[in-house]
Amino acid sequence: DSGVTQTPKHLITATGQRVTLRCSPRSGDLSVYWYQQSLDQGLQFLIQYYNGEERAKGNILERFSAQQFPDLHSELNLSSLELGDSALYFCASSPRQAPRNYGYTFGSGTRLTVV
Amino acid sequence: GEDVEQSLFLSVREGDSSVINCTYTDSSSTYLYWYKQEPGAGLQLLTYIFSNMDMKQDQRLTVLLNKKDKHLSLRIADTQTGDSAIYFCAESINGGSQGNLIFGKGTKLSVKP
Repeated sequence: DSGVTQTPKHLITATGQRVTLRCSPRSGDLSVYWYQQSLDQGLQFLIQYYNGEERAKGNILERFSAQQFPDLHSELNLSSLELGDSALYFCASSPRQAPRNYGYTFGSGTRLTVV
Repeated sequence: GEDVEQSLFLSVREGDSSVINCTYTDSSSTYLYWYKQEPGAGLQLLTYIFSNMDMKQDQRLTVLLNKKDKHLSLRIADTQTGDSAIYFCAESINGGSQGNLIFGKGTKLSVKP
């Protein structure tokens, strides 16, 4: 157990729907990162939150949004889902704004299947 | 833009050494990382190297860094079947001031008994 908890583990939904993925960071970590992993694109950075505020944004679609709550858990909202959104979504956490020598601690991911 | 390149596959025999190579683009990268992903699991940090180092050894793992060529390698000595996994190279960007890491697409290591 890495200490980063992601729920749900699996999600199957229809095109056009909206889903919410949840992440609880490792205790004491203030940064949360979201990544999308697909076979052809590899690991793509979506967004980072640090202590409740957005810190960095990657290639996140406008249909996707995220937030980090006062208790530091984070949610990634995916709307108007398309078949191409099917992927593994990982959450990672780190103690500070930048990973430095700590690196990230990853959760085990949420596998999203859009049908 | 930033990019990290790795070969996609490597196959070795149990007991041999494995060498996984990676090239990166951000010359200001201060930290470079190696992660391991086993089937159905998240990525696990194996080791990292700071940019002012040429080499770092940690038990069976040796990381070599060539800053001039922006080349990073991970050597696994006495490779075991349990080392079969996907190995990702990652770089910090903008001198490490930014939080997000850029990952390669991963090298799938297969270890044959």
